[in-house]
Amino acid sequence: DGGITQSPKYLFRKEGQNVTLSCEQNLNHDAMYWYRQDPGQGLRLIYYSQIVNDFQKGDIAEGYSVSREKKESFPLTVTSAQKNPTAFYLCASSMGQDGVSPLHFGNGTRLTVT
Amino acid sequence: ELKVEQNPLFLSMQEGKNYTIYCNYSTTSDRLYWYRQDPGKSLESLFVLLSNGAVKQEGRLMASLDTKARLSTLHITAAVHDLSATYFCAVDPLYNFNKFYFGSGTKLNVKP
Repeated sequence: DGGITQSPKYLFRKEGQNVTLSCEQNLNHDAMYWYRQDPGQGLRLIYYSQIVNDFQKGDIAEGYSVSREKKESFPLTVTSAQKNPTAFYLCASSMGQDGVSPLHFGNGTRLTVT
Repeated sequence: ELKVEQNPLFLSMQEGKNYTIYCNYSTTSDRLYWYRQDPGKSLESLFVLLSNGAVKQEGRLMASLDTKARLSTLHITAAVHDLSATYFCAVDPLYNFNKFYFGSGTKLNVKP
């Protein structure tokens, strides 16, 4: 079955530590995304990538970094510069290019930083 | 700045009643998506609306798109408890395809 796998499901870190969230897809989608969701809120775009080796900042990129070395993978690093990193992180993919498709989401990673 | 506004943000309704959720957006687009999120879970795609006047229906939910008014609606008919969830609309702007902007969500609670 095709889909998006995010790991881990829950992640706990101490303040000042960088942490990397994994996102892998086997849908052969070109575009991949990272969103952040805070309790009771909508989704805010952190970074997105339309093609391998290229990515763009979303609305809240400060304190985050990404890489897109393979089509299937789009890891997100939450750095110590992110002032309030505790949140629910959702990875998504879509066909990209000129294709019309909804976003397909992973099951999310819930990050808690204390 | 592109804005996607949903209302209401919270909706509590009795089973069997009808109601409409509204999604207004501030950019030119003919691509509008609706998603459902259950508590603690990820988002599931419900509808893809791709042109002015598009209407899609699935069970008790019907979505429509008016690109001239920059408005999409999600209509709930004869609500049942299983529809309790948070519903999000998302816009894919004409000038920047594949950059999806989400509304704040409408939390729906259907009371038995």
